Amino acid sequence: GAGVSQTPSNKVTEKGKYVELRCDPISGHTALYWYRQSLGQGPEFLIYFQGTGAADDSGLPNDRFFAVRPEGSVSTLKIQRTERGDSAVYLCASTQGGFSGANVLTFGAGSRLTVL
Amino acid sequence: KQEVTQIPAALSVPEGENLVLNCSFTDSAIYNLQWFRQDPGKGLTSLLLIQSSQREQTSGRLNASLDKSSGRSTLYIAASQPGDSATYLCAAPAPGNQFYFGTGTSLTVIP
Repeated sequence: GAGVSQTPSNKVTEKGKYVELRCDPISGHTALYWYRQSLGQGPEFLIYFQGTGAADDSGLPNDRFFAVRPEGSVSTLKIQRTERGDSAVYLCASTQGGFSGANVLTFGAGSRLTVL
Repeated sequence: KQEVTQIPAALSVPEGENLVLNCSFTDSAIYNLQWFRQDPGKGLTSLLLIQSSQREQTSGRLNASLDKSSGRSTLYIAASQPGDSATYLCAAPAPGNQFYFGTGTSLTVIP
């Protein structure tokens, strides 16, 4: 697509429920990133994919969080047994990949998750 | 892990003033540094990207500089306008190609 698309834009769920957030990166971008942003904070790195594999998942806060990118394009961030502290905006970004100085991080509009 | 710090956390200036936002990073082995703007409740918009071989990059009233040796970048905004009010974020890559962000500078330009 022309830009990074994230769905849903807003998700309200109850504590303990399972949530999936979807990211559709720019066509041809091999690198995909997930971030979490809480109010008044900068984006916090969660996980980075290069192609289909997770190159670095060190930012995932615990084992309730998991992300996949099975075909190297669309990615899904999955959160099990949601807690109120998971409430945040989840941002996805993509780049062409590789260690190019010209790589521009392009962000989607984000998915706002509220856990009641 | 790359640590990115931005100061000041908040800045309020009268319209027309020139201003400088600061970004520092701990790992200087970067291949670029990026500045973003974020309006309240919105996503991040890329403003400027400086490649490691460059020292400056300009776009309109914005000028970003990069000093890898000292681990610093600055964003200069000339002749500020109320429409410039937003949060400005910088991001630096780590050796594994992850990008890390500062907590941002919240700018208010007073008409």
